[in-house]
Amino acid sequence: SQQGEEDPQALSIQEGENATMNCSYKTSINNLQWYRQNSGRGLVHLILIRSNEREKHSGRLRVTLDTSKKSSSLLITASRAADTASYFCATEGGSGGSNYKLTFGKGTLLTVNP
Amino acid sequence: ETGVTQTPRHLVMGMTNKKSLKCEQHLGHNAMYWYKQSAKKPLELMFVYNFKEQTENNSVPSRFSPECPNSSHLFLHLHTLQPEDSALYLCASSQVGVRVLNEQFFGPGTRLTVL
Repeated sequence: SQQGEEDPQALSIQEGENATMNCSYKTSINNLQWYRQNSGRGLVHLILIRSNEREKHSGRLRVTLDTSKKSSSLLITASRAADTASYFCATEGGSGGSNYKLTFGKGTLLTVNP
Repeated sequence: ETGVTQTPRHLVMGMTNKKSLKCEQHLGHNAMYWYKQSAKKPLELMFVYNFKEQTENNSVPSRFSPECPNSSHLFLHLHTLQPEDSALYLCASSQVGVRVLNEQFFGPGTRLTVL
């Protein structure tokens, strides 16, 4: 069954603006990860946040996790045209679940216009 | 370059053909995965191999047959496929275990078209 669900499905912004994508999930998790995919290519791991963490930063990326609301957000600051891609959240199961199976959402297609 | 390679990158096959997809990881990981990515659908996990043993088979039709001869190589054997099997097939690997975070590294994928 689908776990993560991203919102919005598509986002179009101007270069230099910030982009925020959200992810909601349904069951308890060990961690939540964000991946990026350029058109027709493989996924690239961006950042992982554990279930006991609330916020994490990596360069221009900021991820938050609210386990009480079962939601996460990915913020990309000062966006660039090269950030144009699809972004996916993936959850790894919590108590009783597999510790290596990831469940992906449908993704958010981000377009950054120069 | 993620350390995971896939061949071929593109494949066109008829419904009666038999073909194989190959994946190789150079990262020393102990788990490998096959995913199917179709348009407008979430990434679907097909098979998981952990230390060369298949630990997950998500109700995948028998026309898809995985093989993992060692921890670095993973194959997906295809036969009598249907047009709806056309998709991007992605291979991934990760290091799994206690206190290890399961960050997965993906190959570039094989774009499969079934005529």
